[in-house]
Amino acid sequence: QKEVEQNSGPLSVPEGAIASLNCTYSDRVSQSFFWYRQYSGKSPELIMSIYSNGDKEDGRFTAQLNKASQYVSLLIRDSQPSDSATYLCAVRSYNQGGKLIFGQGTELSVKP
Amino acid sequence: DVKVTQSSRYLVKRTGEKVFLECVQDMDHENMFWYRQDPGLGLRLIYFSYDVKMKEKGDIPEGYSVSREKKERFSLILESASTNQTSMYLCASSFTRSYNEQFFGPGTRLTVL
Repeated sequence: QKEVEQNSGPLSVPEGAIASLNCTYSDRVSQSFFWYRQYSGKSPELIMSIYSNGDKEDGRFTAQLNKASQYVSLLIRDSQPSDSATYLCAVRSYNQGGKLIFGQGTELSVKP
Repeated sequence: DVKVTQSSRYLVKRTGEKVFLECVQDMDHENMFWYRQDPGLGLRLIYFSYDVKMKEKGDIPEGYSVSREKKERFSLILESASTNQTSMYLCASSFTRSYNEQFFGPGTRLTVL
């Protein structure tokens, strides 16, 4: 089992819809969770971090964490074509020091 | 804003050459990381460093070495470049071990012929 799993996609949503991106992780003692956005040919850009159970909202983005289910998600409201990118989930476990474990990423396509 | 810079956006080298990739961060971050990213394989950690002169192997250190002589600078060295090291190389930094938000540089696309 991979340590951090994401559906590779592509996930296609119409403009204005809610895009829902999901991530599961295997290490129960994971503490910190991050979402990165990566445009084609560019480097990953941090868009959300979440450390405790529940929801965290930042503009059109909401991160949701459920440690009991070992599940973290990213919701993008009012999706725009400019949101089309690959979204990487990253997890830090207690015993990993400062290292992050990255998922393979989910490709999102927002259709006008 | 955190700024992580890398010495080159694109680099073309020949098999057997020694290659230096430089990374500089301007936010006094303790931790620095080198990754490579390949289609279908995702981000893979090559080496990381928690402090000056310190280095630790990541998941794929073979064929690479690193140097951290100053806190703001972390270099990746390919001692003898090979074609299977053609990849996108990404440098990242984070403040401390406890604050793990990593910020990435723009990347260097290395082609080894």
